[in-house]
Amino acid sequence: TQLLEQSPQFLSIQEGENLTVYCNSSSVFSSLQWYRQEPGEGPVLLVTVVTGGEVKKLKRLTFQFGDARKDSSLHITAAQTGDTGLYLCAGAISVGNEKLTFGTGTRLTIIP
Amino acid sequence: EAQVTQNPRYLITVTGKKLTVTCSQNMNHEYMSWYRQDPGLGLRQIYYSMNVEVTDKGDVPEGYKVSRKEKRNFPLILESPSPNQTSLYFCASSPPNRVGQFFGPGTRLTVL
Repeated sequence: TQLLEQSPQFLSIQEGENLTVYCNSSSVFSSLQWYRQEPGEGPVLLVTVVTGGEVKKLKRLTFQFGDARKDSSLHITAAQTGDTGLYLCAGAISVGNEKLTFGTGTRLTIIP
Repeated sequence: EAQVTQNPRYLITVTGKKLTVTCSQNMNHEYMSWYRQDPGLGLRQIYYSMNVEVTDKGDVPEGYKVSRKEKRNFPLILESPSPNQTSLYFCASSPPNRVGQFFGPGTRLTVL
C-alpha cells in the first residue's frame, strides 16, 4: 500500500496569514487530488493535478504537483475563517480513480 | 441536485447482527467506492466497483461485502459486524475521466 504523509497534522493560524500544507510519498502517482472535509460531512474535491510540475490556482488556494509526481503542496494566501477544515490529499496510481490512497489529513483552524 | 446519498446516517448495533448501509448516486457514474475513516488512519478504501457487476477489493475488505446490481446503487454489507468495524463510512462515485470523487455525507456506525 502506497503511503501519503501530510504535514503538518494540525495547524492553527490567525486570519490573514499565509500557510502551506504538504503531501509527500515515496511512490509515483498518476494524479493527485486535494479535498476539504468539514465536520459531519463527506470530503469535497478541490482540485486534481495530473502533470509533474503542474500548478493550479483556485482563488486564494494554489496547488502544486511535484516534478516527479511524488509530492504536492497546497498554499493558502490570506487565510479566512471559512478555510477551516480537514484537508486531505489523495493519490491515484493508475489512470482512473479506482485505487485512491488518502493521506491522514491536515486539520486547519483559522482564528478570527 | 447531483448527489450521493447514504442511509442510515447513524447506526448503533450489536456484534453479529447483519446490517446493510445503502449508497445511491444520481449522476450516472460508472465508478463507486466505499471508505472507512478512523482517527489517525485517514480514509481507507474497502471495496470499489468500476461498473455494474464489477467489484474489487480495496485496502481493508475483510468483514465486508458489496454488490453492484444497478449502476446507481452500491450497498455495503456487514454479515457479522464486530466492534473493530465501528467507524465513519463514506460512499463515493466518479465518472471515468479522473476528475475526482463525489462523496456521500457519511454513515457513523457503532458496533457494541
